[in-house]
Order: sequence, then structure tokens, then C-alpha cells
Amino acid sequence: GENVEQHPSTLSVQEGDSAVIKCTYSDSASNYFPWYKQELGKRPQLIIDIRSNVGEKKDQRIAVTLNKTAKHFSLHITETQPEDSAVYFCAASNNAGNMLTFGGGTRLMVKP
Amino acid sequence: DGGITQSPKYLFRKEGQNVTLSCEQNLNHDAMYWYRQDPGQGLRLIYYSQIVNDFQKGDIAEGYSVSREKKESFPLTVTSAQKNPTAFYLCATATGVAGEQYFGPGTRLTVT
Repeated sequence: GENVEQHPSTLSVQEGDSAVIKCTYSDSASNYFPWYKQELGKRPQLIIDIRSNVGEKKDQRIAVTLNKTAKHFSLHITETQPEDSAVYFCAASNNAGNMLTFGGGTRLMVKP
Repeated sequence: DGGITQSPKYLFRKEGQNVTLSCEQNLNHDAMYWYRQDPGQGLRLIYYSQIVNDFQKGDIAEGYSVSREKKESFPLTVTSAQKNPTAFYLCATATGVAGEQYFGPGTRLTVT
């Protein structure tokens, strides 16, 4: 089955700096890669996703890049703000029954 | 996400008791999922259902049971056979567009 690894597990940045979170996946058939943000005690919220026919997708301060050859994808957050502090999860899906395999999460802390 | 409800938000039970967690959705989504999240950990799949009257075990199904008698409802029972049931339980639904899942607000179960 699919295996998704996520790094780093914790990331601390200064407000205004950029943050990058990286994930690798094992199943070459995976073709959908969402990112979720989870604030303390809340539900994970889908913030951006990318499909395998696209190399990069951007939405304001967040962007995701995908390298199918290397089987890795990354989340980039620019101009970080304190409200970006949360746990971020990557996931991968190969379309089989809408199943998602999640990475272990990254706790992002943005220091004012 | 507002169309997925989980109740109760907090649940306390004594060891040895079965407990049922509710998940209801009005999004008309066919697929529903149950995940378990432990502190500082990622999401692990317990059970999922692609269609009414059908469900499949996920990665950590032991000690849990589900039913899917209606499209709108996918209750999860945590049985006394689950050795370490204290966790945050998240229900999710899928749109049918490959991979996209949306989460309910979660139920935090504490067993003492």
C-alpha cells in the first residue's frame, strides 16, 4: 500500500519568513495530493491540493509543488503570519475508493 | 464542512463499556470514513464505507465496529475490546471527485 513520509515534524519560523514542508510517497499510481491544516482541537481543513497532471499550484501565500519522478511534493507558505501556526498534514491518493494516506504531520510555529 | 456533524464533542466512559460515536452528513456524499488521531500523531483509518450497507476495515479496525444503514449516517462503536480507546475521532466524507475528503468537527473520547 501507499506510504507517505512528512518532514520536518516541527518547524519554527519568524513572522514574515517562508516555510517549506516536504512529503514523499511510495505508490507511483498516486495522483492526488491534498494538504490539510489543523488548529489545536479542531478538524483538519483542506487548504490546497494538486493533481498529478500539474507541477505547481498557487493560492495567495500558499503553493504546492509536485515532482512525480522523484515522488515528492512540498507545501510552501510565504510571508508567514502567527495565524499560520498549526499542524499541517500532507496526503496522497491513487483514486482507489477516494482513499487518502496521510503523512505524520508538521507542527508549524510562527513567532511574532 | 458545515454539513458534517459529530456528536457529542466530548465523551467520557468507564473502561469496559461500549460507546457509539455519531456522524451525520447532509452533503449527499456516498463515501464516509472514520479516523483516529492520538496526541501529536497523524490520522489513522479505522473503517470506511463507499456506499450504503457496505463498509470496509481500515488500518486499525480491531476493537471497533460500524454500520451504514443510511447514506447520511455512519456511526462508530468503540467496543470494550479496544485496548486504548482514548483519542480524538474524526469522521470524513468524500465528494466522489477522486481523493477529496472533508472532516467533521470530531469527538474527543476519554476512557478511564
